[in-house]
Amino acid sequence: EVHLVESGGGLVQPGGSLRLSCVASGFTFDNYWMNWVRQAPGKGPEWVAHIKHDGSEDYYVDSVKGRFKISRDNAKNSLYLHMNNLRADDTAVYYCARTPGNDAFDIWGQGTMVTVSS
Amino acid sequence: QSALTQPPSASGSPGQSVTISCTGTSSDIDNYNYVSWYQQHPGKAPKLVIYEVFERPSGVPDRFSGSSSGNTASLTVSGLQAEDEGIYYCSSNTGTNNYVLFGGGTKLTVL
Repeated sequence: EVHLVESGGGLVQPGGSLRLSCVASGFTFDNYWMNWVRQAPGKGPEWVAHIKHDGSEDYYVDSVKGRFKISRDNAKNSLYLHMNNLRADDTAVYYCARTPGNDAFDIWGQGTMVTVSS
Repeated sequence: QSALTQPPSASGSPGQSVTISCTGTSSDIDNYNYVSWYQQHPGKAPKLVIYEVFERPSGVPDRFSGSSSGNTASLTVSGLQAEDEGIYYCSSNTGTNNYVLFGGGTKLTVL
């Protein structure tokens, strides 16, 4: 069965850093672009970043450029999101999600909550 | 870029059909055939129910159908069942580095 499991969320002060992880199972991880999508409380999802199969390309939504870095380790079937200079408006549930090449997110993890507050 | 526009709520009785709209611009919905729809139940991750405007992932009932015309996409749920209650989000490719935009969501209530 296909699974994505996120971890690493928590409470962090404004300006702080956090690293999220996502472990994939049940599919050939390095065949897919992978994404981070976040959802603030009571809001719709927001795509945050994605990374190519081999890690050679990565892209970000404007609001996180220069602060967040997506990476992957295909040997460990793992996806990461390094978040720096966190702000209150980064507070959200962060999901990792798979894209099978049609700009849809067909598999999602259960999410990990990130709260930025003093 | 602004989020895609969806009505905040929709409702129908069991067995009826309901259609949810999603309005974008010529830069997204009207320019690409990459509209998707997601169903979300409370406390759960979104679940893909429609991709590429009208395609259904395996396991999604054929009661779910999608269409698009101009800058508006639509999701129709036929033969409403209690388990169809939830929030539905549309999304579209934007053709920019901001990649994919989502709608604000429509809460579907089965009366």
